[in-house]
Amino acid sequence: GESVGLHLPTLSVQEGDNSIINCAYSNSASDYFIWYKQESGKGPQFIIDIRSNMDKRQGQRVTVLLNKTVKHLSLQIAATQPGDSAVYFCAEENPGSQGNLIFGKGTKLSVKP
Amino acid sequence: GAVVSQHPSWVICKSGTSVKIECRSLDFQATTMFWYRQFPKQSLMLMATSNEGSKATYEQGVEKDKFLINHASLTLSTLTVTSAHPEDSSFYICSASPEPNWSSGNTIYFGEGSWLTVV
Repeated sequence: GESVGLHLPTLSVQEGDNSIINCAYSNSASDYFIWYKQESGKGPQFIIDIRSNMDKRQGQRVTVLLNKTVKHLSLQIAATQPGDSAVYFCAEENPGSQGNLIFGKGTKLSVKP
Repeated sequence: GAVVSQHPSWVICKSGTSVKIECRSLDFQATTMFWYRQFPKQSLMLMATSNEGSKATYEQGVEKDKFLINHASLTLSTLTVTSAHPEDSSFYICSASPEPNWSSGNTIYFGEGSWLTVV
C-alpha cells in the first residue's frame, strides 16, 4: 500500500484468513529482496527472501512473489494468526553495496481473533 | 543462530550531552555493519556503513561529526550521538552479516535496537 504522511497503511484480517502485503521497490537493478517483521519496540526479524532470478519462494506459511516487470513484491501469509500482528517491511539490497538495505514504508498487519 | 546485540536498549540523556550505542556480533565476525534510524511509525533509514579499520561511509544528509561511528574490531561497532538534541530522539538499529559474499538465506542480522530519548 501507499503511505500517507506519517501514517502506516494498515491491513486488518480475521484470524485464519490469508494476508497479502504489497510493496513497490525502486531500483530495477536490485536483485535481492527481503521481507521483515517488526514488533513494537524491537528490531526487524527476517521472514523470507528472494533473488531476482526467481518469481516465487515459499517458506513456512509465507510466500513471497516478485514481479520484476512492475517492480512489485508481495508477502502472503497463510492462516494468519494473532502472533502475526506486526509491521511488515520489504527491503531491497542496494545494488553493488552488500548488506546495504533500502526499506519500504511498511504495512501494519492487525489480526482480529 | 547468528546474533547481533545492541546496548543499551534504552537510554535517556540530557540535551547537549553525548551518548554511545554499541553493536556487537556475538558469534561471527563482521567487517561491515550498518546503522539505521527509525522514527515512530516510519521505516528504517540507513544512516551509515561502518567499516572495520577504516572510516564509516555516511548517507546523504547524515552529519558525520554528530554521529560518530567507530568500528574498532570485527565484532564491535559503536555509534556516538554527540551534543544530542531532542530531535535526535529515535530508535537506532544496527545490522551485520557474517558473509562477505551473498547467497540466498538469512545472512543479514539485525540488533534489537536502542531507544534514545533526549530531554
